[in-house]
Amino acid sequence: QSVLTQPPSASGTPGQRVTISCSGSNSNIGSNTVNWYHQLPGTAPQLLIYGTNQRPSGVPERFSGSKSGTSASLAIRGLQSEDEADYYCATWDDSLHGWVFGGGTKLTVL
Amino acid sequence: VQLQQSGPGLVKPSQTLSLTCAISGDSVSSNSAAWNWIRQSPAKGLEWLGRTYYRSKWYNDYAVSAKSRVTINPDTSKNQFSLQLISMTPEDTAVYYCVRVQTNCSGPRCFYYMDVWGKGTTVTVSS
Repeated sequence: QSVLTQPPSASGTPGQRVTISCSGSNSNIGSNTVNWYHQLPGTAPQLLIYGTNQRPSGVPERFSGSKSGTSASLAIRGLQSEDEADYYCATWDDSLHGWVFGGGTKLTVL
Repeated sequence: VQLQQSGPGLVKPSQTLSLTCAISGDSVSSNSAAWNWIRQSPAKGLEWLGRTYYRSKWYNDYAVSAKSRVTINPDTSKNQFSLQLISMTPEDTAVYYCVRVQTNCSGPRCFYYMDVWGKGTTVTVSS
């Protein structure tokens, strides 16, 4: 059972806007910034968003992140077939004194 | 920056898992990085095991769930760090990753994020 809660699946058609939610508590999302990763089968996760809403160089502008209270969201606009992957949220938990993750959301592009 | 993992893919129950992560392009003694081990399994998802980092002296932190079984050590002579997990059980079967957590400060704000991952080592616990 992951500390952060994500929907197990999400889907959209090419060109659509999709959002993935990540719910936590005051000791993690409520107190710290959130990072997002995507993972293709058989590969390691890759950084997509850091600091809640910062994009590393090379990540397209159509990926964006936000946070409100103890929940965070990843938004993907202009969905493309190559966006089909698993997406994970992560943050530091002050109570557990460690990194915590969401259970992952499998994004399907229909 | 690259992280090269090495270690066995098969461990017997009750034995100790030992994995090593060699760092190229950065230093295990960096003042702006922490060196972590994370594992991933279908049952538990992504699970942080612990970290080692240097800030004028060495520090270690371990996940509460693994604290009694895990040890992470830096090796400055070889610029690498290691994971030892004792008393392995089938529930420890997972892909193990070594990961760099970078500190990125812009003015008063600092961000912490996992930006470099090893390729992963699939570890199976079976007799």
